[in-house]
Amino acid sequence: DSGVTQTPKHLITATGQRVTLRCSPRSGDLSVYWYQQSLDQGLQFLIQYYNGEERAKGNILERFSAQQFPDLHSELNLSSLELGDSALYFCASSVEAVAYEQYFGPGTRLTVT
Amino acid sequence: AQKITQTQPGMFVQEKEAVTLDCTYDTSDPSYGLFWYKQPSSGEMIFLIYQGSYDQQNATEGRYSLNFQKARKSANLVISASQLGDSAMYFCAMREGRVQAGTALIFGKGTTLSVSS
Repeated sequence: DSGVTQTPKHLITATGQRVTLRCSPRSGDLSVYWYQQSLDQGLQFLIQYYNGEERAKGNILERFSAQQFPDLHSELNLSSLELGDSALYFCASSVEAVAYEQYFGPGTRLTVT
Repeated sequence: AQKITQTQPGMFVQEKEAVTLDCTYDTSDPSYGLFWYKQPSSGEMIFLIYQGSYDQQNATEGRYSLNFQKARKSANLVISASQLGDSAMYFCAMREGRVQAGTALIFGKGTTLSVSS
């Protein structure tokens, strides 16, 4: 158990819908990262927050957005969902001083039908 | 060009044997970090080992060791005395730049390891 929690574990929804994925980092970790893992694209970095502020952006679609709240949990919002958004979405966290080690949550498996 | 290349889609090994999973990387930044993660069929990503670009010695963690050859830009994972529970997908990843909060990892495509009895 990495100490990173993600909810829900599984999510099935229809095209065009909007969903929210939630992540709670390890206690004491200030940084949260979101990754998407799909069969064709592999593991890709989406976005990263540090202490409430956006720190880095990767291959995140405009239909996707994220935020980190004062209690440091983070949410990833996916809207106007398409079949191709079906993937495993991981959240990872790290502390400021030891950022070389990122701890991953169990992931949320999103299926868009 | 790919930043992280894992050329072995699948590897097969017998229990108690050692196995090497290959990883080459491409970066022009003198400061970087290399990671290996394990992803079992259950889906979670498990951190295995880390090597910094300035580390003088190869990293080791229990049965895992990282064969770091900087000039060749390779960071192969060596698993000694394989166990059935080692059957999983293994990912090599890289962080570019100095250690600081908020640097994303770039992942390779992964290698599936199958351990048989």
